Amino acid sequence: KQEVTQIPAALSVPEGENLVLNCSFTDSAIYNLQWFRQDPGKGLTSLLLIQSSQREQTSGRLNASLDKSSGRSTLYIAASQPGDSATYLCAVYSGGGADGLTFGKGTHLIIQP
Amino acid sequence: DTGVSQNPRHKITKRGQNVTFRCDPISEHNRLYWYRQTLGQGPEFLTYFQNEAQLEKSRLLSDRFSAERPKGSFSTLEIQRTEQGDSAMYLCASSSPDRAIREQYFGPGTRLTVT
Repeated sequence: KQEVTQIPAALSVPEGENLVLNCSFTDSAIYNLQWFRQDPGKGLTSLLLIQSSQREQTSGRLNASLDKSSGRSTLYIAASQPGDSATYLCAVYSGGGADGLTFGKGTHLIIQP
Repeated sequence: DTGVSQNPRHKITKRGQNVTFRCDPISEHNRLYWYRQTLGQGPEFLTYFQNEAQLEKSRLLSDRFSAERPKGSFSTLEIQRTEQGDSAMYLCASSSPDRAIREQYFGPGTRLTVT
């Protein structure tokens, strides 16, 4: 059974810092991995999707990497801003009859102004 | 592009009542998913439709839960005889038929409170 772990569970940093969020998964046979952002009481916003054949994806100040063989992904946020404060969720899609995403519990990020 | 929509956004009900939620996916997406999220946890997969066919159900989906997707368009999730443990955010997502993508797009969710 696929399990996803996110470290740290919470993070508070001053505005302007670069930061890294970590995600690990137990079964490397994944189809893709998605990073999401969730604001309090809201739905999920997709940030980046990395296919299993890819090593990284970039969108603006965000960069996500994938090391499938070691079961790890990182989300790098450059020049953090208070508006980046949210919970960041990592999810893997295994396909092949397990068509739902398996999520981690998320990293609660606070950017101090 | 109207995105995934869900109604109602909030529902308060008394224990033992039945509730029904609706999800309208992105129009060209043939895949539709339901998830449940409790406080402090990541979403957990409940069930999945490809067009009108329900192809996968999690063991989290007890007999009190039923989902439908008539004509492969919108979907409904019904919970019968609600219990306090059903209180959660219910999220719907849809994805493209393109095998190469499979990116899931989520709606705003329906927050259920069972009193």
